Amino acid sequence: GAVVSQHPSRVICKSGTSVKIECRSLDFQATTMFWYRQFPKKSLMLMATSNEGSKATYEQGVEKDKFLINHASLTLSTLTVTSAHPEDSSFYICSARVWSGAVGNQPQHFGDGTRLSIL
Amino acid sequence: GQQVMQIPQYQHVQEGEDFTTYCNSSTTLSNIQWYKQRPGGHPVFLIQLVKSGEVKKQKRLTFQFGEAKKNSSLHITATQTTDVGTYFCAGTISSGSARQLTFGSGTQLTVLP
Repeated sequence: GAVVSQHPSRVICKSGTSVKIECRSLDFQATTMFWYRQFPKKSLMLMATSNEGSKATYEQGVEKDKFLINHASLTLSTLTVTSAHPEDSSFYICSARVWSGAVGNQPQHFGDGTRLSIL
Repeated sequence: GQQVMQIPQYQHVQEGEDFTTYCNSSTTLSNIQWYKQRPGGHPVFLIQLVKSGEVKKQKRLTFQFGEAKKNSSLHITATQTTDVGTYFCAGTISSGSARQLTFGSGTQLTVLP
């Protein structure tokens, strides 16, 4: 089955630090990857859609200069939280979709997530 | 605002009891997907429903898609402790040429042994 690898799984750093999170599709090519943020016992909030070779599409209210997304290849997307502050502490999770061209959305395959803690 | 609502938010059941979570959308959905997230884990895809009135079964799990394609349900018969987790529905809302998957708020299931 499709596997998505996300790294690192946990980050603890000081306020003001920039943190990069990687999302890789291991056995398939993903032209589109998604970045979510999940608060404790809450749903997944879509932050942005990462498109290979083009600019990411950000959801309303998400600062594109704060959350930099790069999707340079068909198997790798990165999310960089710039100048992170305690309010950025959260669980960030990426997903990728295997595109088959069939009618309807294809299942999303999620990475294990990154627990970000800003002190 | 959130267009896919899910109830209940929490459900505690005794092992062996049935469980149902409901998903409602304010707009017609192209399809609906269901995911399960175990505590500390990531969401795992369970199933996708596309057709109006569609019903699919996976062992003790029964998934339904409403006739109007605005609501869906997941029913678990005779719950087991392995069913513990948060169940999310996710609907595809087509807007122009865009197709966006919107997650419901999730139902956290606790099964008491």
